[in-house]
Amino acid sequence: AQTVTQSQPEMSVQEAETVTLSCTYDTSESDYYLFWYKQPPSRQMILVIRQEAYKQQNATENRFSVNFQKAAKSFSLKISDSQLGDAAMYFCAYRTLNSGNTPLVFGKGTRLSVIA
Amino acid sequence: KAGVTQTPRYLIKTRGQQVTLSCSPISGHRSVSWYQQTPGQGLQFLFEYFSETQRNKGNFPGRFSGRQFSNSRSEMNVSTLELGDSALYLCASSVSGMGTDTQYFGPGTRLTVL
Repeated sequence: AQTVTQSQPEMSVQEAETVTLSCTYDTSESDYYLFWYKQPPSRQMILVIRQEAYKQQNATENRFSVNFQKAAKSFSLKISDSQLGDAAMYFCAYRTLNSGNTPLVFGKGTRLSVIA
Repeated sequence: KAGVTQTPRYLIKTRGQQVTLSCSPISGHRSVSWYQQTPGQGLQFLFEYFSETQRNKGNFPGRFSGRQFSNSRSEMNVSTLELGDSALYLCASSVSGMGTDTQYFGPGTRLTVL
């Protein structure tokens, strides 16, 4: 079974600084997607960024970018120019493409605090 | 488009009771998935419905059940509630539920079992 591990339960960053959240996963599949979701205190989970495993180029969405290392099964999220609104729980998630419809497999999350 | 909505947002029940939670997906989305979120176990997949059929099921006891209606709205039911069922229940919708689809989450229903 696939597993997703987020080794940093909590992190903090100064406003305007850069922070990197770590995620590793375990799978024997070759085709899959990786996601970072953000869950602010209001609880609505929001997709931040996603990466297709077959793409070598790292995904970028404005201030958010990933470092995808397929061989190492690592998928870290970098937040640049951190803002107060970035404070939230961040979940790394995996989804295989090899079995049709499959659920997301989530890590336990990293709570990010942004210090003004 | 309106986002995924879930009702009610908060519920308090006692052990042994049953509860029904509702999820309305984004218009045009036919797949609805349910997840349970707890501090200890994190986010765990319950089941997924597409076109009124359960396509996938997580590792939860039979007390957890669901259904989907012809308008894609979905309900989940938990019978004989236990203290451990206290959790945030999230539903997510997507167009087809296939791997390439993005899942959009609702705000969740916070269930407290006393």
